[in-house]
Amino acid sequence: KAGVTQTPRYLIKTRGQQVTLSCSPISGHRSVSWYQQTPGQGLQFLFEYFSETQRNKGNFPGRFSGRQFSNSRSEMNVSTLELGDSALYLCASRTLTRGHGDGYTFGSGTRLTVV
Amino acid sequence: GNSVTQMEGPVTLSEEAFLTINCTYTATGYPSLFWYVQYPGEGLQLLLKATKADDKGSNKGFEATYRKETTSFHLEKGSVQVSDSAVYFCALSDQGFNKFYFGSGTKLNVKP
Repeated sequence: KAGVTQTPRYLIKTRGQQVTLSCSPISGHRSVSWYQQTPGQGLQFLFEYFSETQRNKGNFPGRFSGRQFSNSRSEMNVSTLELGDSALYLCASRTLTRGHGDGYTFGSGTRLTVV
Repeated sequence: GNSVTQMEGPVTLSEEAFLTINCTYTATGYPSLFWYVQYPGEGLQLLLKATKADDKGSNKGFEATYRKETTSFHLEKGSVQVSDSAVYFCALSDQGFNKFYFGSGTKLNVKP
């Protein structure tokens, strides 16, 4: 079956602009999470969506937002971009079944560069 | 709270050497434990997992045993290859599968 698909793979934006990243999870996975990965901070959790509702949120400013659609596809948006937002943004999906050790399946990420 | 601690890198080994990457965790209840691998320019891939104490996860020659008494999940491989060069992340998912917790990652360099 198809994996987690993230688009676009690469993006260059200017400070102050906004950006929207897209993620299509594995078919049947209703949970989608977003992570920011930078050399200095490692993997940092942004938020998780399940059935169109945000169920967990990391410690990021309000400029970072997300949403999930009825088909489980998710988008994240970053407004008023800053140089420090340059990172690899990873989307991950899972089945989120209590009692089963299902891990995440990650996409290949979107490399965002803010200039 | 829950957390994962793994050994600092980079770890540099010669081909065919034995690999150990240490991982310890703090968690309430009975978490599930995972190792993920990230190759350059890619996302993370699940390498192996264990869902209860004394379980051994294995894949592609890598192994890790869920040790509740020492709260550890060390990754081992008997003979590494150049193609194993990557960053390895240890992670746990708490008992309610509410949140994932990742370690900081350990970079492995294997030289021919």
